[in-house]
Amino acid sequence: AQRVTQPEKLLSVFKGAPVELKCNYSYSGSPELFWYVQYSRQRLQLLLRHISRESIKGFTADLNKGETSFHLKKPFAQEEDSAMYYCAPHSGYSTLTFGKGTMLLVSP
Amino acid sequence: EAGVTQFPSHSVIEKGQTVTLRCDPISGHDNLYWYRRVMGKEIKFLLHFVKESKQDESGMPNNRFLAERTGGTYSTLKVQPAELEDSGVYFCASSFRNTGELFFGEGSRLTVL
Repeated sequence: AQRVTQPEKLLSVFKGAPVELKCNYSYSGSPELFWYVQYSRQRLQLLLRHISRESIKGFTADLNKGETSFHLKKPFAQEEDSAMYYCAPHSGYSTLTFGKGTMLLVSP
Repeated sequence: EAGVTQFPSHSVIEKGQTVTLRCDPISGHDNLYWYRRVMGKEIKFLLHFVKESKQDESGMPNNRFLAERTGGTYSTLKVQPAELEDSGVYFCASSFRNTGELFFGEGSRLTVL
């Protein structure tokens, strides 16, 4: 069965601290991995995709096929990073599947 | 450019009543998706249109839910009759191709009393 796991419901850190939001997946084939984010009172939006290998708003995510993980990282969290983060695998023959999400709270 | 728009933003109905949610995708996007987030749970896929055709409706919970996309433009999702467990936020998204890069609407919050 295709599954994506985000083990933390809530992650609370102080401003300037490093952040790692965990994501593990169990998927047939070679899915493409995405992180989506929903800030307060905003719509769900794409943050980054593994295939682009870019850093968005200071966040990076490395796909580890051996561990089937796609953890989202940022070295220094900012208050404006507070949001709900969703890991989402996608394969060509199916649609985007979302994890349960991790709420990131960054305190001053 | 207008994004994905959904209407209504919030609907409060009584159990047994009917509600119709509407989604207008980004112009030119052939792919249209419906998802929902029931209270405290994850965002779950409902169905996927390519133009006016249902590509995948495996996520539709039961036959009280009916989605249409006549003409391949806007889509409607009707819940009839609504049950308490249908309460949640219904998201619509669209994309040019089915690549996983989706553009979401703000969601329609449904409250069934």
